[in-house]
Amino acid sequence: AQSVTQPDIHITVSEGASLELRCNYSYGATPYLFWYVQSPGQGLQLLLKYFSGDTLVQGIKGFEAEFKRSQSSFNLRKPSVHWSDAAEYFCAVGETTDSWGKLQFGAGTQVVVTP
Amino acid sequence: DVKVTQSSRYLVKRTGEKVFLECVQDMDHENMFWYRQDPGLGLRLIYFSYDVKMKEKGDIPEGYSVSREKKERFSLILESASTNQTSMYLCASSKETQYFGPGTRLLVL
Repeated sequence: AQSVTQPDIHITVSEGASLELRCNYSYGATPYLFWYVQSPGQGLQLLLKYFSGDTLVQGIKGFEAEFKRSQSSFNLRKPSVHWSDAAEYFCAVGETTDSWGKLQFGAGTQVVVTP
Repeated sequence: DVKVTQSSRYLVKRTGEKVFLECVQDMDHENMFWYRQDPGLGLRLIYFSYDVKMKEKGDIPEGYSVSREKKERFSLILESASTNQTSMYLCASSKETQYFGPGTRLLVL
């Protein structure tokens, strides 16, 4: 069974600084990979996804992520954060053999943006 | 845009009550999911459904049941609510990508 690790529970970043959130997964084949964002009291919004092809994926709100097969990682980046980026971020992994589209989620990384 | 709606944003129930959480999607998705979300644990899958009247247990089905009588609607049922079921409940629907509702925050007293 696959697993997902987000090593950082909490990250504080200054507004305008760059942000990188780490995600590592355990899965035998190439998985489907997702990043979601959750603002306080809200559901999850899809930021970006990787199914196949170009390993650098562009998403909404200026985010991008890079799939590195050799490192089993799918890290999320943003060059310059805005105060509105303060939220919780979840990495998720799906099995390509799973026709039901089940996902395994990481525990999340809480991002705080300081002025 | 995909729209997933959940019947309540906040619910307060008493121990032993039967609780229904409703989820509706408007994209004709086959697959629908119920998760609970607790701090530090991420999202954990309770049940999912891949067709009308079809359901499968997820990782933490104990204490819950589900119903899918119509394709667009997926209900989560707490037969006898307990305090340890106080949580945020999230519904999702998918074809290839899961899209989430706004969540229901349930407090069981």
